[in-house]
Amino acid sequence: AQSVTQPDIHITVSEGASLELRCNYSYGATPYLFWYVQSPGQGLQLLLKYFSGDTLVQGIKGFEAEFKRSQSSFNLRKPSVHWSDAAEYFCAVGGKAAGNKLTFGGGTRVLVKP
Amino acid sequence: GAGVSQSPRYKVAKRGQDVALRCDPISGHVSLFWYQQALGQGPEFLTYFQNEAQLDKSGLPSDRFFAERPEGSVSTLKIQRTQQEDSAVYLCASSLDSGAEAFFGQGTRLTVV
Repeated sequence: AQSVTQPDIHITVSEGASLELRCNYSYGATPYLFWYVQSPGQGLQLLLKYFSGDTLVQGIKGFEAEFKRSQSSFNLRKPSVHWSDAAEYFCAVGGKAAGNKLTFGGGTRVLVKP
Repeated sequence: GAGVSQSPRYKVAKRGQDVALRCDPISGHVSLFWYQQALGQGPEFLTYFQNEAQLDKSGLPSDRFFAERPEGSVSTLKIQRTQQEDSAVYLCASSLDSGAEAFFGQGTRLTVV
């Protein structure tokens, strides 16, 4: 069965500092990997996705993620955080072997200090 | 439409009441998904449609939950005899085809009192 672990429930970062959110997955075939962001009262917005090819993926809002098959990880990074990045971030795994449904991690809430 | 639209945005139901949640996917999107997001948790898969066919309903928590998409466009998630544990945000997502990027609606927050 597929699963996603986001080890950090909360992260506090100063504005302008770098951010890294961890994601580890378990999936029996070639995974499709996603990072979504959710602001309070809002739906999920896709930041970036990995299907195949280059393991370093660029997304919107200055985010990037790196797929490391050997570590079953797909960590999200941003070099310089803005106050508007405060939100909840979800990593998800899916793929054709799973009937295209997504399995989400529990999320990481990011707080940004001025 | 420009995005996935869900209605109502908020629903308060008395325990034992039936509710119906509506999802209007992006026009032309073949695949439609329903997820349940409990407070403080990540979304969990409920069911998946490809056009009007319900291909996977393995995530529906009980037989009180029922989903349909009769014409391959709008979908309705129905919950019968609501219980307090049904309180959650119900998210709908659609994608152009299987395996493609899924776009999420803003969700319906259901509170059962």
